[in-house]
Amino acid sequence: EPEVTQTPSHQVTQMGQEVILRCVPISNHLYFYWYRQILGQKVEFLVSFYNNEISEKSEIFDDQFSVERPDGSNFTLKIRSTKLEDSAMYFCASTRDRGHYEQYFGPGTRLTVT
Amino acid sequence: AQKVTQAQTEISVVEKEDVTLDCVYETRDTTYYLFWYKQPPSGELVFLIRRNSFDEQNEISGRYSWNFQKSTSSFNFTITASQVVDSAVYFCALSEAGSGNTGKLIFGQGTTLQVKP
Repeated sequence: EPEVTQTPSHQVTQMGQEVILRCVPISNHLYFYWYRQILGQKVEFLVSFYNNEISEKSEIFDDQFSVERPDGSNFTLKIRSTKLEDSAMYFCASTRDRGHYEQYFGPGTRLTVT
Repeated sequence: AQKVTQAQTEISVVEKEDVTLDCVYETRDTTYYLFWYKQPPSGELVFLIRRNSFDEQNEISGRYSWNFQKSTSSFNFTITASQVVDSAVYFCALSEAGSGNTGKLIFGQGTTLQVKP
């Protein structure tokens, strides 16, 4: 069964450093998402991406964040200058059609900023 | 505004008990989708069910059942004869499907279910 993959599974970085989180969505999916879950809290929407552009972003997704689909398979989330409060689990998700189908989630990347 | 409320933060039951997890949602859209996801201790999000706003039929899948009531904006989840492997955090989520919506999921705070042997 096809699945969403994410790398790395765990990333430790120092405050102020740039990180890139990588995701490979399911190949025939068209809508892509990033979500964040701070430890012990709910899952929060960050950004949605369709047709090679951002379709919606939350207030969390400020200028420090960017997303890209550089080669038609990978979907990346970049945090330019990490802060302590960026420490969280980051989930990538994809779906064939917004709302009509389930969003398939990757296993997540745990980001720890020290 | 869209919102999902899971008022039960933690529930603890003994194996074989039935347990119901509550979910109340708010939306202005007439077309929307509701979801339940399970997050076991390993951390991944496991899809359980999707329901659209036009289908109020209750659904049963093995020991799991869901009760969708538009009149009370609720989408509750019942586990019958709970097992230790059901221990997890359960999230209810909403996706609005009106024009301009991107399909993003709005999650509730989650309910931590502990099933004791």
